Amino acid sequence: NAGVMQNPRHLVRRRGQEARLRCSPMKGHSHVYWYRQLPEEGLKFMVYLQKENIIDESGMPKERFSAEFPKEGPSILRIQQVVRGDSAAYFCASSPPGTGTFGNTIYFGEGSWLTVV
Amino acid sequence: EDKVVQSPLSLVVHEGDTVTLNCSYEVTNFRSLLWYKQEKKAPTFLFMLTSSGIEKKSGRLSSILDKKELFSILNITATQTGDSAIYLCAVRAQGGGSARQLTFGSGTQLTVLP
Repeated sequence: NAGVMQNPRHLVRRRGQEARLRCSPMKGHSHVYWYRQLPEEGLKFMVYLQKENIIDESGMPKERFSAEFPKEGPSILRIQQVVRGDSAAYFCASSPPGTGTFGNTIYFGEGSWLTVV
Repeated sequence: EDKVVQSPLSLVVHEGDTVTLNCSYEVTNFRSLLWYKQEKKAPTFLFMLTSSGIEKKSGRLSSILDKKELFSILNITATQTGDSAIYLCAVRAQGGGSARQLTFGSGTQLTVLP
């Protein structure tokens, strides 16, 4: 049972380019979360998705950032027109479905490290 | 807004020492507190605490929650160099969509010297 898979692990983009980060949840998990970790800081919640639905995007910047979790395929976090301040580690996590329950844990991927030059 | 504060921000000890990491929180409708270990990759789950005063143990690590004073501690006894990592504390609130998001502290960077 593979864990949460993220790719690319490392991504370098020039200012103004687009960054696409992909996340495949653990098998059987239908809930996906994206977190951002800036240098010297803890993880900050960005968005929570279920298949084809954005449930909570309260942590997403209002512009340039979007996320999706299509019926087929991985979840994608898309950052348009990247700026240097977007340089960070982006972690995806997944959890199993349930009747409003969270499960004992959520499982994190290894992260995608975005560097904007 | 939910808030989690960890202290100290960083700690350097020698192998064999015992360390205590602190986590205080302010959260509306608290549900649980979680500890993670992060070693330059995916945070790995250590403990989930929901009830006050009940110690959770795993080997040399243990943790306890005080819901009255709104804090938790993570103890590591007989530290080893492999314990060097960032230790993250997170809280989860009850109810609604936000119940599925975790609010993290900024972490404690632990360095264990040989």
